[in-house]
Amino acid sequence: GAVVSQHPSWVICKSGTSVKIECRSLDFQATTMFWYRQFPKQSLMLMATSNEGSKATYEQGVEKDKFLINHASLTLSTLTVTSAHPEDSSFYICSADRDRAYEQYFGPGTRLTVT
Amino acid sequence: SQKIEQNSEALNIQEGKTATLTCNYTNYSPAYLQWYRQDPGRGPVFLLLIRENEKEKRKERLKVTFDTTLKQSLFHITASQPADSATYLCALVAAGGSYIPTFGRGTSLIVHP
Repeated sequence: GAVVSQHPSWVICKSGTSVKIECRSLDFQATTMFWYRQFPKQSLMLMATSNEGSKATYEQGVEKDKFLINHASLTLSTLTVTSAHPEDSSFYICSADRDRAYEQYFGPGTRLTVT
Repeated sequence: SQKIEQNSEALNIQEGKTATLTCNYTNYSPAYLQWYRQDPGRGPVFLLLIRENEKEKRKERLKVTFDTTLKQSLFHITASQPADSATYLCALVAAGGSYIPTFGRGTSLIVHP
């Protein structure tokens, strides 16, 4: 149990367009979902924390107007990268937890390339 | 400032040997520490958690130690196999606050047949 999916697994878009990434908990209801980005050989950087039905909490330095997060249900959170630029190219990973359990369940990640 | 340090150089070992990975931290009072495995192009997978009042935890071929005096955790894989080749991340959750972990950069382990 505790499977998290992400869609798409990879996406290539042109500069200036917007991209939506979905994160779903398949077999459990996620109290909280998290969005990370990861550059090659770097650690996971937390971007934001989202709870169902409320506004996401963004980490310092993350532009909330650029990275829109919608947590519509206990099993779905979306991250929209608006007006994407090449510097937004990265590996985006979501995770979810169950009732503030002591481990996070990660999705497989989405590779975004902005040309 | 708070830091989590993992060896950035890859660890190369021979199949069957014990792999030992290190996680050092500064300016943290962790409530617990986690280890994750990450394969290339994939999200991390949780392996083990050890609390501040625990010295050692085991799970099959895995062993984690936690020394809050040295501010260090060691992660051991015994009888290593080529399939153990991956990047291993440590993550800390600070005491008395958010339960959200902060991750180290990870250490790449390569097990040669």
